This record gives sequence, C-alpha cells and structure tokens, in this order.
Amino acid sequence: DGGITQSPKYLFRKEGQNVTLSCEQNLNHDAMYWYRQDPGQGLRLIYYSQIVNDFQKGDIAEGYSVSREKKESFPLTVTSAQKNPTAFYLCASSIDRTDTQYFGPGTRLTVL
Amino acid sequence: AQTVTQSQPEMSVQEAETVTLSCTYDTSESDYYLFWYKQPPSRQMILVIRQEAYKQQNATENRFSVNFQKAAKSFSLKISDSQLGDAAMYFCAYRSALIPAVGANSKLTFGKGITLSVRP
Repeated sequence: DGGITQSPKYLFRKEGQNVTLSCEQNLNHDAMYWYRQDPGQGLRLIYYSQIVNDFQKGDIAEGYSVSREKKESFPLTVTSAQKNPTAFYLCASSIDRTDTQYFGPGTRLTVL
Repeated sequence: AQTVTQSQPEMSVQEAETVTLSCTYDTSESDYYLFWYKQPPSRQMILVIRQEAYKQQNATENRFSVNFQKAAKSFSLKISDSQLGDAAMYFCAYRSALIPAVGANSKLTFGKGITLSVRP
C-alpha cells in the first residue's frame, strides 16, 4: 500500500526534553511538509523540503528542526526551545513543490 | 499575503439532504488552486476536491461539488445526499499556482475549518 505513515500516534514529553516525530512516505514524492494544528485553528506550516538534503522554514519554525537525508523520510524534532509544543502534527507530501499535498494520519504531542 | 476565511464554525444537515459550506479568500494573484479537505474524527486530512482558478467549470467529485466565484473570491462546497460518514471538520485551503523559485514556499494557507454534523 502506498501512503504516508507517521509515528507514534500519541507522544508524551516532559518539559525540557527534545522529541522526534517520524514521517515516512513510499509515494516517491519529492516534496514533504510539516504542519501544526491547534484546537479551533487551521494548519500552519512549520518546515518543508522540496528535495533531499534541502529544507526551508515555514511560518512557525522556531523551536523545531528537521532533516531530509532520504527521499522517503522527513523527521521533525520538537526542541525544548518550543514554548508551547502541545499540538497535533501533520506531515504531508506531494509529487513536487507545485502539486496537491496528501497527508499522513498525524501525531498528537502532549507536554506534561 | 493570502488569507482564507470560513465564517461558519458549525453546520448541521439531515441525512440525505444537501448542505453548502462557505469559504472566501483574499489574494492579489490571478492563478491559484483551491482545495477542500475533510478531517474526520480520526484526524487524518483527506482531499475532497480541487479547483484550478483558470478553469471556469466548477469541479465535481461524486456527491461533492464546488461553486467557484472568482470575482467574488468565493469557493463553497456543496455536499449532496449527505451521509453519516460525511460528519467531519472541513477545511478550505489556498495555494498559489506561481512556480516557486528554488527555496520558495509552496505552502497551503488554510481556513479555520467548519464542523459538519449529520443528523440521522
């Protein structure tokens, strides 16, 4: 089955700890994205990558970091510098930077 | 900067009836794409329908169709023969059709969403 997977589905973190969210796709898509969703809000772009070994900041990149060492993988690290990390995180991919974006199932991060 | 507005936070429809969800947007660009995404309780975002701004014909996908009014910057979603499985949050989204320069942003701009409930 082709698609986008995110793990884990639920993640709990203590304050001051870094945590990494996984995103994998087997769709052979070049572009990948990370969005954050807060209650009552639409999605906001954190980071995106148009190609392997390249990534760009989105609208709310502070306190987050990413890497894109492989085409199929785009992990997101939520660092201790992120002031309010509790949210729902969605990964997306598209064939290229101009095409329709398709989403993974998401990860719910809760900071205790 | 582009903005997307969904002014109705909640709507309800009787099963088998038709409902229309509203969306307006603001842009100075002439070429762009508009999308409706569905987010059911599982929270995965599912593409419902896509409209290219240069096409005058409204997009349709089975029971889903749009009313795209470019001059009014309006993009509403009509769901016909509503089913219980249609209950979800629906998000309207905008993306520029300009080919981004290397490193530029091809992001989606989302509205805040509307919660649709379906009464049996």
